[in-house]
Amino acid sequence: DTEVTQTPKHLVMGMTNKKSLKCEQHMGHRAMYWYKQKAKKPPELMFVYSYEKLSINESVPSRFSPECPNSSLLNLHLHALQPEDSALYLCASSHPTRAQQVGTQYFGPGTRLLVL
Amino acid sequence: QKEVEQNSGPLSVPEGAIASLNCTYSDRGSQSFFWYRQYSGKSPELIMSIYSNGDKEDGRFTAQLNKASQYVSLLIRDSQPSDSATYLCAVNIPNAGKSTFGDGTTLTVKP
Repeated sequence: DTEVTQTPKHLVMGMTNKKSLKCEQHMGHRAMYWYKQKAKKPPELMFVYSYEKLSINESVPSRFSPECPNSSLLNLHLHALQPEDSALYLCASSHPTRAQQVGTQYFGPGTRLLVL
Repeated sequence: QKEVEQNSGPLSVPEGAIASLNCTYSDRGSQSFFWYRQYSGKSPELIMSIYSNGDKEDGRFTAQLNKASQYVSLLIRDSQPSDSATYLCAVNIPNAGKSTFGDGTTLTVKP
């Protein structure tokens, strides 16, 4: 099973709302990632969890709050977002390898977020 | 200089032709290289990974790596309309636990 699942597929929220994005994998991967992707742009790394600990925060605004409850689950909590945060949010997972090399990343289908 | 640069697109080739996608990277210590394909509205999916200098073939796809020139390419032989997508080059950043993606090259294969 090489599947990463994400819910919801689509999300519309107002700037005062609080919502959460969920990601799940059962491949035994111990590295999980959140990316943000705008139209016609490459994925932009937001957070990395390695062995359930936050290892990378790419200076993401605090209105985005990641959480890794266990080795299979990754959440992204959203609060007080801005319209410019509208994008496709991708979750990915991989085996971490030696010397912090990133192995093949398996991407979920993404959550398309619209902030009004 | 960008960490990962891909040849600017869009790239258009006729069906049955060879499509050549190129990527250069700046960190000489990078060891792992990936090509992902992304259809419009979908998420990236792995086409090929390559770690050693030389060629690696998988069906119609061949990845080529030249670490001395800091260059990695993807050749698609017998291109099909279903190959029309954006191709993303990803390069590991040494000891950083993350990869950097190029901006992508959009390929159109015309029937």
